[in-house]
Amino acid sequence: AQKITQTQPGMFVQEKEAVTLDCTYDTSDPSYGLFWYKQPSSGEMIFLIYQGSYDQQNATEGRYSLNFQKARKSANLVISASQLGDSAMYFCAMRENGGTSYGKLTFGQGTILTVHP
Amino acid sequence: AAGVIQSPRHLIKEKRETATLKCYPIPRHDTVYWYQQGPGQDPQFLISFYEKMQSDKGSIPDRFSAQQFSDYHSELNMSSLELGDSALYFCASSSHRGNTIYFGEGSWLTVV
Repeated sequence: AQKITQTQPGMFVQEKEAVTLDCTYDTSDPSYGLFWYKQPSSGEMIFLIYQGSYDQQNATEGRYSLNFQKARKSANLVISASQLGDSAMYFCAMRENGGTSYGKLTFGQGTILTVHP
Repeated sequence: AAGVIQSPRHLIKEKRETATLKCYPIPRHDTVYWYQQGPGQDPQFLISFYEKMQSDKGSIPDRFSAQQFSDYHSELNMSSLELGDSALYFCASSSHRGNTIYFGEGSWLTVV
């Protein structure tokens, strides 16, 4: 079964508008972490934001925020005030801690975001 | 701030040759991960090391091996290369004191 699901292969947004990228996950581990990464066409994997399963508040990092709905097992990324440089592939990923601090990441299929001027 | 350093950034090898990728984690990070990303795919976990010991193993072919050295740098050795090994290989690192996993810029391997 797919552990991380990103149902939007591609998304389009107008510059300066907000956009939400969807991510749902599946785990029975009570302790896990959710990550979002940006991968531009140049290939590097850039960390954006992290949400722990026990965190009470939604994570925010500048223009990025994570809409964490634990009961629904969703962790959507919200990008406010989109910029042309936000055009990239975005990956949602999960780490199931399993009582350790070094669990591996499992990635979703990714969403290609295109920002129009 | 120092990031994860990978070398080489690009390499071209012929079938059946051997390649070695190197990774230098962020200072004081105790865990290293290796991922393989094929064209148009999401990254797939290969192997990880925690405090120089193998901590987890994913879909790493038997032709591949990896280790982490005393200075915490890691090397991924790939032998008998096949065309299907052409991919972007990432190294990532993290610390047990933090939650974030940082990736290097990746090594592009092309097998011809």
